[in-house]
Amino acid sequence: DIQMTQSPSLLSASVGDRVTFSCKASQNIYKYLNWYQQKLGEAPKLLIYYTNSLQTGIPSRFSGSGSGTDFTLTISSLQPEDIATYYCYQYNSGNTFGAGTKLELK
Amino acid sequence: QVQLKESGPVLVQASETLSLTCTISGFSLTNYGVIWVRQSPGRGLEWMGIIWGDGNTDYNSALKSRLSINRDTSKTQVFLKMNSLQTDDTAIYYCARGGGYPDYWGQGVMVTVSS
Repeated sequence: DIQMTQSPSLLSASVGDRVTFSCKASQNIYKYLNWYQQKLGEAPKLLIYYTNSLQTGIPSRFSGSGSGTDFTLTISSLQPEDIATYYCYQYNSGNTFGAGTKLELK
Repeated sequence: QVQLKESGPVLVQASETLSLTCTISGFSLTNYGVIWVRQSPGRGLEWMGIIWGDGNTDYNSALKSRLSINRDTSKTQVFLKMNSLQTDDTAIYYCARGGGYPDYWGQGVMVTVSS
């Protein structure tokens, strides 16, 4: 089974900061990776699919990059409403979520 | 608009069978797959399985022996059944539309397995 490792597990940032999340796959998943945002008490919300495609309605400050085993989600300028936990999800072989990165305000 | 909603018992006894229903609207079950995902503090987000638009299913290998997913396209419902429940099956259970990139999710249903 493919394992997804997210780092860091906790990230502290200030409003306006550029924020970067990392996700590493245990084997090559090409670009079959999505990013989800989950706020407390809510279901996950699709932000980015197929590594770098922005889901409809998602602000352009979110972007994704990577391929193979290393992937990144970037928020170009952090907004208060972005406070949440972020998960990567691979669907190349089986389907696996990472453990998440919790984003908090500094 | 696209909507999914999970329903089912909130408390189940250990060793019994969990039955959940996902009622959908705004899309056709013959055009989209529906997945089940669960979330618990111990397991995080865990993909459980999918019923594809053609009716075929795929399951998480760790759950395959006790999990089944079916649907009733006329009632626009997808069903999850999982037997031999244990306390660590306590989780929030979600259904979501899509195979490759699940885009619309239900609100989830919290299921507690009691010993």
